[in-house]
Amino acid sequence: GENVEQHPSTLSVQEGDSAVIKCTYSDSASNYFPWYKQELGKRPQLIIDIRSNVGEKKDQRIAVTLNKTAKHFSLHITETQPEDSAVYFCAASDDFGNEKLTFGTGTRLTIIP
Amino acid sequence: NAGVTQTPKFRILKIGQSMTLQCTQDMNHNYMYWYRQDPGMGLKLIYYSVGAGITDKGEVPNGYNVSRSTTEDFPLRLELAAPSQTSVYFCASEREGGNQPQHFGDGTRLSIL
Repeated sequence: GENVEQHPSTLSVQEGDSAVIKCTYSDSASNYFPWYKQELGKRPQLIIDIRSNVGEKKDQRIAVTLNKTAKHFSLHITETQPEDSAVYFCAASDDFGNEKLTFGTGTRLTIIP
Repeated sequence: NAGVTQTPKFRILKIGQSMTLQCTQDMNHNYMYWYRQDPGMGLKLIYYSVGAGITDKGEVPNGYNVSRSTTEDFPLRLELAAPSQTSVYFCASEREGGNQPQHFGDGTRLSIL
């Protein structure tokens, strides 16, 4: 089955600086890579996703890049703000057709004012 | 739309007791999922369903059962609660059609003592 590794487990950045979270996956057949944000005590919420036919996707201050050859993808947050503080999870789809996601172990991002 | 609704929000069980975690969605999604999230960890898939009457095991199904008699409801049953099942349980739903975003409920925090 799919295995997703996520680094770092914790990350602290000064407000206004950029944050980068990296994930690697094992199954070359995986074709969908979402990122979820989970604030303390809340539900995970999708913030951005990318499919394997695209190398980069951007949504305002958030971007995701995908390197299929190396089997890794990254989340980039620019101009960080205090409300960006949360746990971020990457995930990869296991099979096309039933969309089972395998999640990474999460990165706790803290924005220092 | 209420989205995905989970009940109860909190529950304490004694070892050996049984209970059902309820999950209902009003988005007419065919795909539904149950995850557990242990402290500092990612989401592990317990069971999933691609439609009414169809269920399948995920990564960590032991000690749990599910049913899917309607499109809206996907209850998770714990028959003999064990301390290892202390966790936060999330239900999610997804529109059919090739890796769509998963919508999560608010979770059920379950403690087995």
